[in-house]
Amino acid sequence: AQKITQTQPGMFVQEKEAVTLDCTYDTSDPSYGLFWYKQPSSGEMIFLIYQGSYDQQNATEGRYSLNFQKARKSANLVISASQLGDSAMYFCAMREGYDYGGSQGNLIFGKGTKLSVKP
Amino acid sequence: AAGVIQSPRHLIKEKRETATLKCYPIPRHDTVYWYQQGPGQDPQFLISFYEKMQSDKGSIPDRFSAQQFSDYHSELNMSSLELGDSALYFCASSPGAGRGYEQYFGPGTRLTVT
Repeated sequence: AQKITQTQPGMFVQEKEAVTLDCTYDTSDPSYGLFWYKQPSSGEMIFLIYQGSYDQQNATEGRYSLNFQKARKSANLVISASQLGDSAMYFCAMREGYDYGGSQGNLIFGKGTKLSVKP
Repeated sequence: AAGVIQSPRHLIKEKRETATLKCYPIPRHDTVYWYQQGPGQDPQFLISFYEKMQSDKGSIPDRFSAQQFSDYHSELNMSSLELGDSALYFCASSPGAGRGYEQYFGPGTRLTVT
């Protein structure tokens, strides 16, 4: 079963508008982390935002916010005031478990959503 | 701020050759992860190291091996290269206990096998 599902292969948004990128996840582990990464055409993987499973509030980082609905197992990324430079592939990822003794636990990625911002 | 360094950035090899990719984590990060991203694909986890010991293993072929050295840098060794090994290889590092959730990716090494 797919652990991370991104149902939107591609999306368009008008510059300066807000856009929501969908992500649903599947885990039976009570401790997990959810991440969003941006990958421009140049290839680098840029960390955007993180939400822990026990976090009470939705994470925000500048123009990025994460709409975390735990009961629905969704972790949608909201980008406000889109800019041309936001055009990129966006990956939702999950890490299961929390190891206080070290940083173990690889990321499981979704298939990504290609966002195109129109001027 | 210092970032994860990967070298080389681009590598072209022929089938059946070997390749070595290097990763230098962010200072004071003790954990390194390797991911492989094929063309148009999502990154797939290969292997990870914590405090110089292998901590987890994903879909890494037997032809590949990796290690983390005393200075925490890591190397991914790939032998008997196949066309299907052509991909972007990422190294990510993580700071350790208490802040273990964040993984910071390097710029990647683009390997082309001809």
